[in-house]
Amino acid sequence: GENVEQHPSTLSVQEGDSAVIKCTYSDSASNYFPWYKQELGKRPQLIIDIRSNVGEKKDQRIAVTLNKTAKHFSLHITETQPEDSAVYFCAELYGGSQGNLIFGKGTKLSVKP
Amino acid sequence: GAVVSQHPSRVICKSGTSVKIECRSLDFQATTMFWYRQFPKQSLMLMATSNEGSKATYEQGVEKDKFLINHASLTLSTLTVTSAHPEDSSFYICSAWGQGGHGGNTIYFGEGSWLTVV
Repeated sequence: GENVEQHPSTLSVQEGDSAVIKCTYSDSASNYFPWYKQELGKRPQLIIDIRSNVGEKKDQRIAVTLNKTAKHFSLHITETQPEDSAVYFCAELYGGSQGNLIFGKGTKLSVKP
Repeated sequence: GAVVSQHPSRVICKSGTSVKIECRSLDFQATTMFWYRQFPKQSLMLMATSNEGSKATYEQGVEKDKFLINHASLTLSTLTVTSAHPEDSSFYICSAWGQGGHGGNTIYFGEGSWLTVV
């Protein structure tokens, strides 16, 4: 079946440093890749997404890059802050434009002040 | 943006009883809703796709007779956990596609429901 691999599972950085999380997907037909931030006990919050017609998208301190040939996409957070600490999930849209999301296993990011 | 509301946010039930969780799209119609389950420190796993006016589509390994899904209207889908057992304790969360802020569609999540079976 469809699968999204996410690495690393945990990531600890010093405040102000950058954090990079990588995901690999299997379905070459996929064209939508969102990233979610989830705090304990709460719903996932969409932080950025990218569609297959672009290779990079940036929103302030957050950026996502997509390499369709290699079938991987990455989340980049610059100038990390303690409030960035959370679990981050990548996802792949499966089943067309109204399909379901397949999630990676998540990355627990800890930003140390 | 669109809002998906889920209720209850927390529920504790006794083993062997049934629990119903509601998922509502508040300001848009959702012909399809998705139900996910998330165990502690794990990812979201799709349980089933709820289709308005027809039977839900269940993922492999999810018992359709245990997790009853009803999508009777374009704004409401319900998940009923029947004969709940402690191993069913989990975070259940629904989602639906709605209009995004930039004109395209975005998937919206409900607040989630914590189920504890004692």
